[in-house]
Amino acid sequence: AQSVAQPEDQVNVAEGNPLTVKCTYSVSGNPYLFWYVQYPNRGLQFLLKYITGDNLVKGSYGFEAEFNKSQTSFHLKKPSALVSDSALYFCAVRVGNTGGFKTIFGAGTRLFVKA
Amino acid sequence: EAGVAQSPRYKIIEKRQSVAFWCNPISGHATLYWYQQILGQGPKLLIQFQNNGVVDDSQLPKDRFSAERLKGVDSTLKIQPAKLEDSAVYLCASSPAGGGAGGYTFGSGTRLTVV
Repeated sequence: AQSVAQPEDQVNVAEGNPLTVKCTYSVSGNPYLFWYVQYPNRGLQFLLKYITGDNLVKGSYGFEAEFNKSQTSFHLKKPSALVSDSALYFCAVRVGNTGGFKTIFGAGTRLFVKA
Repeated sequence: EAGVAQSPRYKIIEKRQSVAFWCNPISGHATLYWYQQILGQGPKLLIQFQNNGVVDDSQLPKDRFSAERLKGVDSTLKIQPAKLEDSAVYLCASSPAGGGAGGYTFGSGTRLTVV
C-alpha cells in the first residue's frame, strides 16, 4: 500500500540549533513529495516539494528537504530554528496515475522550538 | 490572489443533526478537494473534484456525507445525520489542473464539534 510515515510525534529543539523532521514514504514509481506546515487554527500551508532533479530542495522560511531514494526518505531541515517555527508539520506524497492523482498525508510531527 | 475561502469557521451541532460547509477555491483552479482532519491525525481525503466531476470519493461515507460542485467553482459538503465521530476540521483545498503536482492551497478549515 502506498503510504507516508512520520516516525516522530514531536520534535523539540532549542532556538538557533538545526532541526530535522523525518519522513519516509512507500510508493510505486517516482514520488512527488511535499512538506506542509500548519499553524494553530489555520489550514495547511505549502512549504516545498520534490519532483525531480537536485536531491536538496529549498522552500519557504529557510526550510529545505533532502530526498534520499535508497532510504525512501524526505526529511525536512532547517539550519537554525526560530521560536516562530513551532507548528505542526506534515509530509505528503502524490499517488496515482494519469487516470487520477491524489495526495496522502502523514500523521504530522509537532515541532517545539524553545527560546 | 485571494486564497481558498471556507465558511463557517466553527460549527457546533448535536448528533443526528445536519450541517453544511462551503468552499470557494482559488479562481481558475480546476481541482477541488475536501479533507477531514481528526485531532492528532493527518488530513484524510474525502472527495476530489475535477471541474464539476468527481474524481475520487472512495473514502467518503456516502450514507451520511454528500458533496457537490455544480458549476465547477464553489463546493458544498454536507453531513446528514452527524455522528460524534464526525467531530473534526474539514479542510478545503484547490489546485490547478495537473493532479496537484505543484502542491495545494488550503483554506483555514471549518472546525465541527458534534455533541
